[in-house]
Amino acid sequence: AQRVTQPEKLLSVFKGAPVELKCNYSYSGSPELFWYVQYSRQRLQLLLRHISRESIKGFTADLNKGETSFHLKKPFAQEEDSAMYYCALKFTDKLIFGTGTRLQVFP
Amino acid sequence: DAGVIQSPRHEVTEMGQEVTLRCKPISGHNSLFWYRQTMMRGLELLIYFNNNVPIDDSGMPEDRFSAKMPNASFSTLKIQPSEPRDSAVYFCASRQGSAEKLFFGSGTQLSVL
Repeated sequence: AQRVTQPEKLLSVFKGAPVELKCNYSYSGSPELFWYVQYSRQRLQLLLRHISRESIKGFTADLNKGETSFHLKKPFAQEEDSAMYYCALKFTDKLIFGTGTRLQVFP
Repeated sequence: DAGVIQSPRHEVTEMGQEVTLRCKPISGHNSLFWYRQTMMRGLELLIYFNNNVPIDDSGMPEDRFSAKMPNASFSTLKIQPSEPRDSAVYFCASRQGSAEKLFFGSGTQLSVL
């Protein structure tokens, strides 16, 4: 069955430390994966998509088909990165989300 | 455009009462999704519509849940009767065609006492 797993509910780091939010997926086809972010008092919004191979706000995510992972990384965390992060898999015409990871960046 | 509009923002009700959540998608978007957010299960897709037609309702938890989309600019999610375990944040999202990007509403925080 199609599934997205985010093993960490909470990740706490200090400003300037590297960040890696883990995402693993289960899908037999060719995956399309995304990261969505919800900042405090803001709407859930698209952060980046694997197909674009882009860096947004310093974040990157590489699809690793061998490990079925799509981890989100940033070399130096900022306080404004504190938010809820969801990994999502496109399956047929819909998005399946993981359980989310709350990132806390302390000053 | 004000984006996806959901109402009410907060709903507190007693067990057994009927609850109706409302959503207005972005004008021109022809796909609409209802998600439920909880700490334990994250964001779960309940149902989605394409051109006002329900395409996949496999995520609707029980017969107590129903959703309609009578026209391109309005959708409702109804819970009848409501139960405390229905307490969650319910999000509506829309998109244009098969575009990858979903636009989310602000959500409705539902508390069933």
